[in-house]
Amino acid sequence: DGGITQSPKYLFRKEGQNVTLSCEQNLNHDAMYWYRQDPGQGLRLIYYSQIVNDFQKGDIAEGYSVSREKKESFPLTVTSAQKNPTAFYLCASRTRQGANTGELFFGEGSRLTVL
Amino acid sequence: AQSVTQLGSHVSVSEGALVLLRCNYSSSVPPYLFWYVQYPNQGLQLLLKYTSAATLVKGINGFEAEFKKSETSFHLTKPSAHMRDAAEYFCATRSGNQFYFGTGTSLTVIP
Repeated sequence: DGGITQSPKYLFRKEGQNVTLSCEQNLNHDAMYWYRQDPGQGLRLIYYSQIVNDFQKGDIAEGYSVSREKKESFPLTVTSAQKNPTAFYLCASRTRQGANTGELFFGEGSRLTVL
Repeated sequence: AQSVTQLGSHVSVSEGALVLLRCNYSSSVPPYLFWYVQYPNQGLQLLLKYTSAATLVKGINGFEAEFKKSETSFHLTKPSAHMRDAAEYFCATRSGNQFYFGTGTSLTVIP
């Protein structure tokens, strides 16, 4: 079955530590996205990538970094510079070709808690 | 910039009653509009999408939405609520490569 796999599902971090959240997709999608979700605030875009080796900042990129070395993978690093990293993180992807362009497909999310 | 506004952060309905979740959009061009559902600690799942082919869009789980240009609305409805419909619902729009989400509506179904 094709889909998006995020890991880990739950992650605890001490203040001052960097952590990397994994996102892998086997949908052959070109575009991938990272969102942060906080209660009552909907989804906010952190970074997105349309093709390999290229990515753009979203609305809340400060304190985060990404890479896109492979089409299938778009890992997100939450750095110690992110002041309030406790949140639910969602990875998504979409195709940019064919008749079904448009919608995002989401992974199951990763919940990060800073202790 | 394009955006969507969801009216009502919490909606409660009795089991078997009509579900109505409201979404208004702002766009100067015909929009792409979506409704997603999210169950606790899970990702978002597409319910339905509007891409200008038809104003009444039918989705999964018995949900549908009607695009009304005159009201700039894309409200989500279901004739009869079921307990399994209890979840968070998000309206979204797309502009180019970016998506814009509403703040969500939490649906509670009362037995």
